[in-house]
Amino acid sequence: AQSVTQLDSHVSVSEGTPVLLRCNYSSSYSPSLFWYVQHPNKGLQLLLKYTSAATLVKGINGFEAEFKKSETSFHLTKPSAHMSDAAEYFCVVMDSSYKLIFGSGTRLLVRP
Amino acid sequence: EPEVTQTPSHQVTQMGQEVILRCVPISNHLYFYWYRQILGQKVEFLVSFYNNEISEKSEIFDDQFSVERPDGSNFTLKIRSTKLEDSAMYFCASSGPFPDRYSNQPQHFGDGTRLSIL
Repeated sequence: AQSVTQLDSHVSVSEGTPVLLRCNYSSSYSPSLFWYVQHPNKGLQLLLKYTSAATLVKGINGFEAEFKKSETSFHLTKPSAHMSDAAEYFCVVMDSSYKLIFGSGTRLLVRP
Repeated sequence: EPEVTQTPSHQVTQMGQEVILRCVPISNHLYFYWYRQILGQKVEFLVSFYNNEISEKSEIFDDQFSVERPDGSNFTLKIRSTKLEDSAMYFCASSGPFPDRYSNQPQHFGDGTRLSIL
């Protein structure tokens, strides 16, 4: 069965510093992986997706993620955090029947 | 950019009452989903729907739940007799427009309906 583990429930960074949100996946085949973001009182917005093309995936708002098969990881990064990046981030894997399996989420706090 | 829209944004209902949550998926999408998130817990899959029938449902999606696409635009989730434990944020999602699932089209979510059962 597919699953994802988000290693940090909360991450706090200063504005202008790099962001790293960690995700490890478990899958019996080459997975389709996604990062979604949820701002307060809003829905889930797709940040980026990996579907076995390039291992470095660029998303919206300057975010990117690197698929590392040897480490079963799909960490989300951004070179410089902005106050508007404060939100909850979900690492997600698509299972064999095309439903999404969510991680438990990482709340990103951005300090001024 | 096209969006998935959900109404109402917040629904308060007495236990035992029926509730219908409404969704308008992106117009050229073919696959429709409901997920829910109980406060403090993970987002979890409820049901997927394609070609006017349920493709898959989770263990949560028991006989109290049903889905319907009554016309060409709406996609509804009905809970017949609500329980306290049905209180959650319910998200509708859609994907498409290709009928070929192998393209792994991402799912686009609405803003959710917060359901509170009293």
